[in-house]
Amino acid sequence: DVKVTQSSRYLVKRTGEKVFLECVQDMDHENMFWYRQDPGLGLRLIYFSYDVKMKEKGDIPEGYSVSREKKERFSLILESASTNQTSMYLCASTWGFSGNTIYFGEGSWLTVV
Amino acid sequence: EDQVTQSPEALRLQEGESSSLNCSYTVSGLRGLFWYRQDPGKGPEFLFTLYSAGEEKEKERLKATLTKKESFLHITAPKPEDSATYLCAVRSNSGNTPLVFGKGTRLSVIA
Repeated sequence: DVKVTQSSRYLVKRTGEKVFLECVQDMDHENMFWYRQDPGLGLRLIYFSYDVKMKEKGDIPEGYSVSREKKERFSLILESASTNQTSMYLCASTWGFSGNTIYFGEGSWLTVV
Repeated sequence: EDQVTQSPEALRLQEGESSSLNCSYTVSGLRGLFWYRQDPGKGPEFLFTLYSAGEEKEKERLKATLTKKESFLHITAPKPEDSATYLCAVRSNSGNTPLVFGKGTRLSVIA
């Protein structure tokens, strides 16, 4: 089975802190994604990556950055956390850009106080 | 711009009461339409992928169908454990595009 692992399930951070959310997949997938999910807004794409060291902005990249130094790992970085970044963050991965299934991690609940 | 609209936003069913969830989409060229189930506090769990109009897929009490403009997720004789949010997403065939999601249908099945 494909496994997408998000290292932190629940985090509480202070405004202004730098936050790292880590995601690892074990299926040699080329493509990895970071979404955030908020009530009433659904899933919104923050960034995605289709290869090591490559990244593309999604719909809401402001306030975020990403890092992909190794194929299996995709990190989401909040340079200076703000309260409006309190959300559930979901990492996903897939192979190729055809209609292949995209698999999700369990999510990371971030609260910024 | 690719768009996905799901209806209804919420659906409450009695156990055994069959119904359908709708996913309407507009996409430049469909590479795949995906259905996911999401339980509270968890990541989406993959259910089905549909690729072309007329295609159908089944899993237990769930059946997904696809036309050129919409997809339906039919739930036959639902049970309380089917309660979840069901998400629909599309992927277009224009370049390196990720999934575009609808906002989901929150299904509650009452015993």
